[in-house]
Amino acid sequence: AQTVTQSQPEMSVQEAETVTLSCTYDTSESDYYLFWYKQPPSRQMILVIRQEAYKQQNATENRFSVNFQKAAKSFSLKISDSQLGDAAMYFCAYRSANPNGSEKLVFGKGTKLTVNP
Amino acid sequence: GAVVSQHPSRVICKSGTSVKIECRSLDFQATTMFWYRQFPKQSLMLMATSNEGSKATYEQGVEKDKFLINHASLTLSTLTVTSAHPEDSSFYICSAVHPERLKNIQYFGAGTRLSVL
Repeated sequence: AQTVTQSQPEMSVQEAETVTLSCTYDTSESDYYLFWYKQPPSRQMILVIRQEAYKQQNATENRFSVNFQKAAKSFSLKISDSQLGDAAMYFCAYRSANPNGSEKLVFGKGTKLTVNP
Repeated sequence: GAVVSQHPSRVICKSGTSVKIECRSLDFQATTMFWYRQFPKQSLMLMATSNEGSKATYEQGVEKDKFLINHASLTLSTLTVTSAHPEDSSFYICSAVHPERLKNIQYFGAGTRLSVL
């Protein structure tokens, strides 16, 4: 079974600075998807960024980028120019790309990010 | 973008009563929806996979008779907590899978906070 590990229960960053959230995963599959979701105090889960394992290029979405290291099974999230609105719980998630497999997500335990003004 | 609506956002009920939570995909048809439970400061725990036109697939340890799931149409799945007790108090979240396979993205509802007195 696949597992996702987020080793940082809490992180903090100064406004306008950069922070990196760590995520590692374990799988025997070669093709899969990785996601970062954000859950602000409203508790609405919001997709931040998505990465297909077969793509070597790291995904980017504006101030958010990932460092995807497939061999190391690592998928970290970098937030640049941090804003107060970035404060939230961040969850790393894995999903199999097997067309006959389940579409369910495997979540890490989350990292609580605090942004200091 | 894709939107998933979840209703109600908050419900308070007496012990022994049943509560129904609705999850709707507003601008796409979803053959698969998921139901999660989230305890305070914890990650999302998958309860079941809801498949349109067929029985739901429950995760190990989830009581099928306690948490009834119905996915009667391509845009609606419901979770009924039967004979609710205080230990069922929690935050319940649904998600729907967008049908475009290349996206493989789950979109989440805003969640339902259930309080059983």
